[in-house]
Amino acid sequence: QVQLVQSGAEVKKPGASVKVSCKASGYTFTSYYIHWVRQAPGQGLEWMGIINPSDGSTTYAQKFQGRVTMTRDTSTSTVYMELSSLRSAETAVYYCASGYNYGRDAFDIWGQGTMVTVSS
Amino acid sequence: EIVLTQSPGTLSLSPGERATLSCRASQSVSSSYLAWYQQKPGQAPRLLLYGASSRATGIPDRFSGSGSGTDFTLTISRLEPEDFAVYYCQQYGSSAWTFGQGTKVEIK
Repeated sequence: QVQLVQSGAEVKKPGASVKVSCKASGYTFTSYYIHWVRQAPGQGLEWMGIINPSDGSTTYAQKFQGRVTMTRDTSTSTVYMELSSLRSAETAVYYCASGYNYGRDAFDIWGQGTMVTVSS
Repeated sequence: EIVLTQSPGTLSLSPGERATLSCRASQSVSSSYLAWYQQKPGQAPRLLLYGASSRATGIPDRFSGSGSGTDFTLTISRLEPEDFAVYYCQQYGSSAWTFGQGTKVEIK
C-alpha cells in the first residue's frame, strides 16, 4: 500500500541541526510531490516546504528560508528534511505528506511523524 | 502569505448535533486549493475534503464543505462520537501552503 515511513525520534541541543527522513513505498516515487509540515506540542500545523522528487526542486516557506534544506534520493525513494540552528521552540512533531490521490495541494498520505526535541 | 483564520476556536456540542466551522482567508483563495483535515490526539492529520467541497475516499457524507473567495465552511450534519477532534483548513496560493489555527470540536 501507499505509505510514507519516517525516521525515529531525535533529541538535539539548541544550535544543532536535525535531518529527518521519509521513505515512500507503494507508488512511483518521482511522480508525487512531498511536503513537510510540523506541529509543536498543543499547537497547530505549520507548512515548511515542498520537494519535487522528480528533479529535486524545492520551495520553502519564507519563515524557514536559509535554515531548511530538502533533498531526495531516488535510489531509495527517500526524501530528507534538514533544519539547522535549532531553537527550543522548534520542539515539534515533523511530518512528511503527499498529495497522492487528489493533486499536489491536498495532503492525503502522511508519515507517522518524527518527534524532534530541542533541549540543552 | 495568505492567512487563514478559523472560528470558533472551540465548539462544544453533543452527539447528533450539527457542527458549522468557519475558515476565513486574508485574500481570495481558489476553491480548487482549499482543503479540510481532521486530527485526533497522537495521530497525523486526515484529509476530509479537497477542492473546498469534494470528499476524500472513505469520508462519510455527513461531512460537507462550501464557500468561495475568502469564506469557507465545513459542516458536520450530525456529530458521531468519532467526530470529536480538531479540524484545520488549508490553502495553496502564491507558491505557499498555509493552515488555519484549528477548531476543536469537543463533547458538551
